[in-house]
Amino acid sequence: EIVLTQSPGTLSLSPGERATLSCRASQSVSSRQLAWYQQKPGQAPRLLIYGASSRATGIPDRFGGSGSGTDFTLTISRLEREDFAMYYCQQYDTSPGTFGQGTKVETK
Amino acid sequence: QVQLQESGPGLVKPSETLSLTCTVSGGSISGYFWSWIRQPSGKGPEWIGYIYSDGTTNYNPSLKSRVTISVDTSKNHFSLKLASVTAADTAMYYCARAGYCTHGICSPFDYWGQGTRVTVSS
Repeated sequence: EIVLTQSPGTLSLSPGERATLSCRASQSVSSRQLAWYQQKPGQAPRLLIYGASSRATGIPDRFGGSGSGTDFTLTISRLEREDFAMYYCQQYDTSPGTFGQGTKVETK
Repeated sequence: QVQLQESGPGLVKPSETLSLTCTVSGGSISGYFWSWIRQPSGKGPEWIGYIYSDGTTNYNPSLKSRVTISVDTSKNHFSLKLASVTAADTAMYYCARAGYCTHGICSPFDYWGQGTRVTVSS
């Protein structure tokens, strides 16, 4: 199965700053079949990005996804207070679909 | 607005069978793929398996020998059974919807339940 490694484990930033989260796959993810989710404490994950770069319905344009092959990035252009949360990547190219271990974006 | 709600025991004894149900409201269960996903505390999610409304299933190979997912379209719900549980099965269990699944791969999950915590302990 494809192993997704997210880095850094924790990102300490201030509101208004730019966040850059990385997701590296153990083998190529074809057709950019990679998604990003946001999860807040006590809540289910929420789909942010699919197809590596397409925003899901209702997701603000400060969230952006990029990358291909084995390296993918989620960028939050200007952090809002509600963006401090856990973020997970997921590949849906090769069975079984797998998730990364997550990056925590916390307030500095 | 589609809503999913998990239900079932929060405590299961080792070697017994974990049983959960996900009730779908605000929309029909027909025409979509429904998955179970679990998340141990402090770890990333793990896909368990999916079922289509016609009963077609596919399971994660790591759990396949112990998992059964079933659907009851008349009640608009689907269920998970995980046999022979151990402490390693302790996790938050979520049900979720995907637009499309095939051969063990699902498109991203757009609707999730709130999750139910299951602890395996004697």
